[in-house]
Amino acid sequence: QVQLVQSGAEVKKPGASVKVSCKASASTFTGYYMHWVRQAPGEGLEWMGRINPNSGGTNYAQKFQGRVTMTRDTSMSTVYMELSRLISDDTAVYYCATQPYSGSYYEYWGQGTLVTVSS
Amino acid sequence: EIVLTQSPGTLSLSPGERATLSCRASQSVTSSYLAWYQQKPGQAPRLLIYGASSRATGIPDRFSGSGSGTDFTLTISRLEPEDFAVYYCQQYGSSSWTFGQGTKVEIK
Repeated sequence: QVQLVQSGAEVKKPGASVKVSCKASASTFTGYYMHWVRQAPGEGLEWMGRINPNSGGTNYAQKFQGRVTMTRDTSMSTVYMELSRLISDDTAVYYCATQPYSGSYYEYWGQGTLVTVSS
Repeated sequence: EIVLTQSPGTLSLSPGERATLSCRASQSVTSSYLAWYQQKPGQAPRLLIYGASSRATGIPDRFSGSGSGTDFTLTISRLEPEDFAVYYCQQYGSSSWTFGQGTKVEIK
């Protein structure tokens, strides 16, 4: 069982950046790709990108290219998602989720982090 | 980018009834890359089905997935009270992951 624990809720002003963390069980940290998926209030799920915790290699959704950065700290078994130039439409719950190397689905999810963008 | 369209938007059924949820893709999806999730209010999504038809660990056998190409189906054979939720399909293709917009299964 993989446990993913995300950082707490954030309130940011338009134009600012936010960095959300996702800490995984140490024994499984490098056993999965880690994705970030967001969900605006009352809306569906939207893929943002993924990071390979082993290599640090990333793939980003075209919509977020240039605005999102995903990094990892292997010593802390933690991945990070930073989103810059925030606008009100970025208000959402942000989830991290694991993808096994052998599959294309999200097996384990974090509890979600609410990011509110408001002036 | 492959677009997934789920139907119906809302399904109103009673406990014990059969639920059939559809997910249609804008172009062919490799079956092994199609998954279904359940989401309840205030919770993260939960994996139900992967590879179009394989149940995830701990998922009851009243949940089943089928389909290929551009048409996929999630079936709940007999609805239990805890099955009323929103369901999403998801696919991977061309280095991009996309979700359907969701089907809400509500109590009639």
